[in-house]
Amino acid sequence: KAGVTQTPRYLIKTRGQQVTLSCSPISGHRSVSWYQQTPGQGLQFLFEYFSETQRNKGNFPGRFSGRQFSNSRSEMNVSTLELGDSALYLCASSLTATGRGASAPTVYNEQFFGPGTRLTVL
Amino acid sequence: ILNVEQSPQSLHVQEGDSTNFTCSFPSSNFYALHWYRWETAKSPEALFVMTLNGDEKKKGRISATLNTKEGYSYLYIKGSQPEDSATYLCAFALSAGNNRKLIWGLGTSLAVNP
Repeated sequence: KAGVTQTPRYLIKTRGQQVTLSCSPISGHRSVSWYQQTPGQGLQFLFEYFSETQRNKGNFPGRFSGRQFSNSRSEMNVSTLELGDSALYLCASSLTATGRGASAPTVYNEQFFGPGTRLTVL
Repeated sequence: ILNVEQSPQSLHVQEGDSTNFTCSFPSSNFYALHWYRWETAKSPEALFVMTLNGDEKKKGRISATLNTKEGYSYLYIKGSQPEDSATYLCAFALSAGNNRKLIWGLGTSLAVNP
C-alpha cells in the first residue's frame, strides 16, 4: 500500500507570493490533516478535511486555506507569504474511527504522515 | 491555553540502557493520547494511540502507560538500540465539542550511543 505523498518536497518563495502544496493520502483514508512544524514550536495543527469538507481548524490566519477533492487528495494554499511562514508542512491521513460512523472524529486513530514540504520564504 | 509538556527535552543513553519519557497533558476533557517516533529525514510514525485510563500498550521493546486522572503518560524503551535514536512526540486530543484536534508536545530527543 503506497504511503502518503506530498509535492513538492522543497519550495523557495519570496514574501508576498502565494503557494499551493499537495497531499495524496493513503488509499481508503478519507481524512487529511495539515500541520506546520517550526523549530521550537512543535507541530501546529492547521486544519482537517474529511469528505471534501473542512471539519476542524487550528488557530492560523485566513491566509492559510485548504481544500479536499473527491478522491481525498488535499491541497493547502498560503497567500501573501511572510517570512514566518517558512516551515516544514506535513500532511497526515487517517481512517475514521472504527465503528463510530463517518462523522466521528479521527483523533482516535493513528495519523500516517507524508514526508513534508519544506517551504522557505525569502 | 492547553499545553502538552514532554520531559526530558533530550536524552543520551548507552546501547542496552532502558529509558523512559513523560508526557503531561490537561487531565480534564481527555479524549485520546498518541505517541509517535520521528527519525531524522523521515516522517513521524505512530507508536500508540491510547484512550482509556490505565491503558498499557506494547510494541516490541517499547511500551506506554496512561493515567488520564492525573494527566500523564509514560513511554518506556527497554534495552535501547542505536536505531531507537529519534524524537518521540506525544499528542493529546481533548473532547471539546466538534473541534477535536491533536495538540502536540515538543518531543523528547533520544540519542543511543553504540
